[in-house]
Amino acid sequence: AQSVTQLGSHVSVSEGALVLLRCNYSSSVPPYLFWYVQYPNQGLQLLLKYTSAATLVKGINGFEAEFKKSETSFHLTKPSAHMSDAAEYFCAVSPSGAGSYQLTFGKGTKLSVIP
Amino acid sequence: DADVTQTPRNRITKTGKRIMLECSQTKGHDRMYWYRQDPGLGLRLIYYSFDVKDINKGEISDGYSVSRQAQAKFSLSLESAIPNQTALYFCATQSEREGPAQYFGPGTRLTVT
Repeated sequence: AQSVTQLGSHVSVSEGALVLLRCNYSSSVPPYLFWYVQYPNQGLQLLLKYTSAATLVKGINGFEAEFKKSETSFHLTKPSAHMSDAAEYFCAVSPSGAGSYQLTFGKGTKLSVIP
Repeated sequence: DADVTQTPRNRITKTGKRIMLECSQTKGHDRMYWYRQDPGLGLRLIYYSFDVKDINKGEISDGYSVSRQAQAKFSLSLESAIPNQTALYFCATQSEREGPAQYFGPGTRLTVT
């Protein structure tokens, strides 16, 4: 079975500082990996996805993530935090075999941005 | 217009009542999913459907049932609501042809008193 662990249920950064949200996965084979963002009172929006192409994946709103097989990690970063980045972020994993595609989500990390 | 819509957006109901949450999509995707979100627990899969004739239980299906009325419509029912079903419910869609990403509706906040 696959699983995802997000380190830190709450992360606070100052406006303009680096954002780093951590995600580690457990899988017997390299999976597909995703980051979603949830703004207050909204659904989940896909930020970026890794589907076995380039290991450094660029997403929307200036976010990027790097797939590191040796560390079983897929951490999300952004060089400079904006107030509008305050939200909850979810890492998710899916089997990479054709057709299965079920997502397993982490428990989420709530990002606060301090002015 | 939104690609994935959910109705109602908010609902308060009493213990023992039957309630249906509805999901519609205009993305043309074949696969649809129902999740519930609880604070600190992330999203957990309730049911999923790969096409109109294919319904599968997820991680937490007890107390829930679903109906896939058409490719574009997937409903979730609570036959006899209980307070611990108070949660935020999300519908999502996916296309086998396009790949593994899922696309979410805005959610239904359900409170069972």
